[in-house]
Amino acid sequence: AQTVTQSQPEMSVQEAETVTLSCTYDTSESDYYLFWYKQPPSRQMILVIRQEAYKQQNATENRFSVNFQKAAKSFSLKISDSQLGDAAMYFCAYRSPRGSQGNLIFGKGTKLSVKP
Amino acid sequence: DTAVSQTPKYLVTQMGNDKSIKCEQNLGHDTMYWYKQDSKKFLKIMFSYNNKELIINETVPNRFSPKSPDKAHLNLHINSLELGDSAVYFCASSHALPGGSGRTDTQYFGPGTRLTVL
Repeated sequence: AQTVTQSQPEMSVQEAETVTLSCTYDTSESDYYLFWYKQPPSRQMILVIRQEAYKQQNATENRFSVNFQKAAKSFSLKISDSQLGDAAMYFCAYRSPRGSQGNLIFGKGTKLSVKP
Repeated sequence: DTAVSQTPKYLVTQMGNDKSIKCEQNLGHDTMYWYKQDSKKFLKIMFSYNNKELIINETVPNRFSPKSPDKAHLNLHINSLELGDSAVYFCASSHALPGGSGRTDTQYFGPGTRLTVL
C-alpha cells in the first residue's frame, strides 16, 4: 500500500522569506499524481499545486513550486516570498491512477506559521 | 458560485442518534468522495461514488452509508452515532474515474462538516 510521510509537524518562516516543506512517499507504481493541499484555519481544503509523475518538469504556481525527485520518491513544496495568508496546515497527497486506488492518500500535515 | 457545498457546517448531536450530511457539487464532475479528518488532522478516504455506483468502500463501519440521488449529490448517513465519530467530514469531487484515462484528476473539496457527538 502507498504511504505518504511529512516529517515536519510544524514549520515557521519569516514574512517575505522562503520555506520548503518536505514530503516523501512510498509506492511501487510508476504512474501516479502528487498534490499539495492547504488548509487554513477556515478548514477549507485548497489545492495548491499538482504534479504528474510522468512529467519531469517541476510544477510551478506563482510563489509555489515543487521539487519532484521521482527516484528518491520525494515531493517538497517551496513557498517563496511568504505571506501572512500562507499560514495554514499543508498536506501532501498521493493518488494512483488505477482502479480502487484512486482516492487521495494524505500525509499527516505540516503546520506552517508565518511571522510578521 | 460555490463549487462543492456541504450542509450543515456544524452538527452537534447525542450518541445513538442518526444524522445525515449533504454534499452537492456544481462542477459537472462524475466522481464524488467522502473523507474523514480526525482530531489529529489526519485525512482518510471513506467512500467514493461514480455514476451512482460505489467504487471505493474503505473499512468503515456499516453505520456509515453514502447515498447518491444523482451525479451532483453524495449524502452521508450515519446511524447510531458514537463518540468516536466526532470529526470533520469532507466531501470532494473530481472529473475522472479513479482508474481513468490519465487525465489529471484533481479533487476539489467542500468546506467540511464538523460533527460533534456528545
